[in-house]
Amino acid sequence: GQNIDQPTEMTATEGAIVQINCTYQTSGFNGLFWYQQHAGEAPTFLSYNVLDGLEEKGRFSSFLSRSKGYSYLLLKELQMKDSASYLCAVPLVAGNTPLVFGKGTRLSVIA
Amino acid sequence: EAQVTQNPRYLITVTGKKLTVTCSQNMNHEYMSWYRQDPGLGLRQIYYSMNVEVTDKGDVPEGYKVSRKEKRNFPLILESPSPNQTSLYFCASTRTGFSHEQYFGPGTRLTVT
Repeated sequence: GQNIDQPTEMTATEGAIVQINCTYQTSGFNGLFWYQQHAGEAPTFLSYNVLDGLEEKGRFSSFLSRSKGYSYLLLKELQMKDSASYLCAVPLVAGNTPLVFGKGTRLSVIA
Repeated sequence: EAQVTQNPRYLITVTGKKLTVTCSQNMNHEYMSWYRQDPGLGLRQIYYSMNVEVTDKGDVPEGYKVSRKEKRNFPLILESPSPNQTSLYFCASTRTGFSHEQYFGPGTRLTVT
């Protein structure tokens, strides 16, 4: 089965850089997703990694190391609107479905 | 506009009164899923469907039913709701295959008293 671990909460300062880690254990690897979820709202897709390395997308980057079962989401130039939960997720079986989510990391950005 | 819709968005009901939460997507996605989200427990999958007439249990299926008679619709049925089913529910859909992201509905906040 899948086991996903993320820190529960993090706090960072506006304008700073924050790294949110995710470790996973899977019976077979089929990629890793990151989602953002503002309080009371639906999760929205941020990134997908299937190969090792860093994928950059504007202020957000996601890194994957398959040998270590490890990923991180890097948020640069933090803004107050980045205060949200960040969810790491891996597919249960080959392909992209069904998806198993970590419990999420709640990020608070302070002035 | 590509979207997943859920109804109702908010519902307060009493124990034992059957209810249905509807979910519809307009993207012709094969895969649809229901999750519940509770504080400290994250998103947990209730049921999912890989295509029409194909449904499977997720991690927390007890007390729920689903059906997939049409590709666009995936209703969640609570035959006899109980207070422990008070939660925030999300429907999601995606194309099957690597890298495709899931699209989530806006959520249904259910309270069972």
